[in-house]
Amino acid sequence: AQSVTQLDSQVPVFEEAPVELRCNYSSSVSVYLFWYVQYPNQGLQLLLKYLSGSTLVKGINGFEAEFNKSQTSFHLRKPSVHISDTAEYFCAVSKGSNYKLTFGKGTLLTVNP
Amino acid sequence: NAGVTQTPKFQVLKTGQSMTLQCAQDMNHEYMSWYRQDPGMGLRLIHYSVGAGITDQGEVPNGYNVSRSTTEDFPLRLLSAAPSQTSVYFCASSYSSQGVGGYTFGSGTRLTVV
Repeated sequence: AQSVTQLDSQVPVFEEAPVELRCNYSSSVSVYLFWYVQYPNQGLQLLLKYLSGSTLVKGINGFEAEFNKSQTSFHLRKPSVHISDTAEYFCAVSKGSNYKLTFGKGTLLTVNP
Repeated sequence: NAGVTQTPKFQVLKTGQSMTLQCAQDMNHEYMSWYRQDPGMGLRLIHYSVGAGITDQGEVPNGYNVSRSTTEDFPLRLLSAAPSQTSVYFCASSYSSQGVGGYTFGSGTRLTVV
């Protein structure tokens, strides 16, 4: 069974600092990878996705992620964060013909002034 | 507006009561699923459906039933509520079984079982 590990449960940063949220997955087959964001008391919103092709994926709100097959990682980055980026971020994987989306446990990003 | 609509947004149940969480989408998506979100646990798949008349179990199906009589609707039934079912429930849909287009989530139902 596939699994997703988000290495940090909480990441505090100051405004305008860079941030990296780490995600590793386990799967022996090709996968599709996603990052979702959840603002307080809201549902999940798709931030970006990797399906195939270029390993550097750009998403909304200035976020980007890099797929590294050899390290089975899909880390999320932003060069300069804003207060409004404070939210919980979930990494997720969908495998080949499998119909299930497996989520990590989430990383709470807190941006302080 | 197109999207996934969940009702109710909040619900308090007594142990042993039953209820149905409603989920409807107007995007003609074939794939629909139910997740529960608990602190520190991420989202866990309860049940999913790949089309009308077809459902299957996810990671945590015990205590829940689903049916899919139409493409648009995918209700989740709690048969006999237990305090362990206190959670936030999300419905999601996608036009692709692999989530190629990304999954669209509803705004959630916050359920408390006392």
